Amino acid sequence: AQRVTQPEKLLSVFKGAPVELKCNYSYSGSPELFWYVQYSRQRLQLLLRHISRESIKGFTADLNKGETSFHLKKPFAQEEDSAMYYCALRRYSTLTFGKGTMLLVSP
Amino acid sequence: AAGVIQSPRHLIKEKRETATLKCYPIPRHDTVYWYQQGPGQDPQFLISFYEKMQSDKGSIPDRFSAQQFSDYHSELNMSSLELGDSALYFCASSLGLMGTTSTGELFFGEGSRLTVL
Repeated sequence: AQRVTQPEKLLSVFKGAPVELKCNYSYSGSPELFWYVQYSRQRLQLLLRHISRESIKGFTADLNKGETSFHLKKPFAQEEDSAMYYCALRRYSTLTFGKGTMLLVSP
Repeated sequence: AAGVIQSPRHLIKEKRETATLKCYPIPRHDTVYWYQQGPGQDPQFLISFYEKMQSDKGSIPDRFSAQQFSDYHSELNMSSLELGDSALYFCASSLGLMGTTSTGELFFGEGSRLTVL
């Protein structure tokens, strides 16, 4: 069965510091991975997907099949990055989410 | 731009009662997904519909049922409610079934919070 693990429930950093939100997955097929974000009092929304190989709001994520990881990174965190981040794995037409990591960026 | 609309936002029920949650997808979206998120838990996939037909089924209890109507809105019906059903229920929509014609992005509603006393 597929599984997504986000080992950190909370990550607290200072503004300007680098950020890495960890995500590991287990899946027997070819994975398709996403990062979703939920800002305070807002709905869950897509941040980025690995197949696009894009950078959104300064965030990037690289799929490492050898380590079965899809860590989310940003070199310089901003206060507006504070939010709940969920890593998700697509299997057929469903998404399996990790438990999420709360990122707090302090001034 | 119109987003996914869920109603009600909050619902309080007692054990053994029934509840119905509604989801109105983004206009032109033909696929709806239901997720359940308990306190401190990850969103768990319940069920999805594509073009008014059930497309996938997750960890949805037998006490729950859902359907998608001709206007593509969906309703989740929950009967014999238990304390453990207290959760945030998210609905999401997409144009096309994820993994096929869809881009893979789900658009989420703000959720309906169900409290069972």
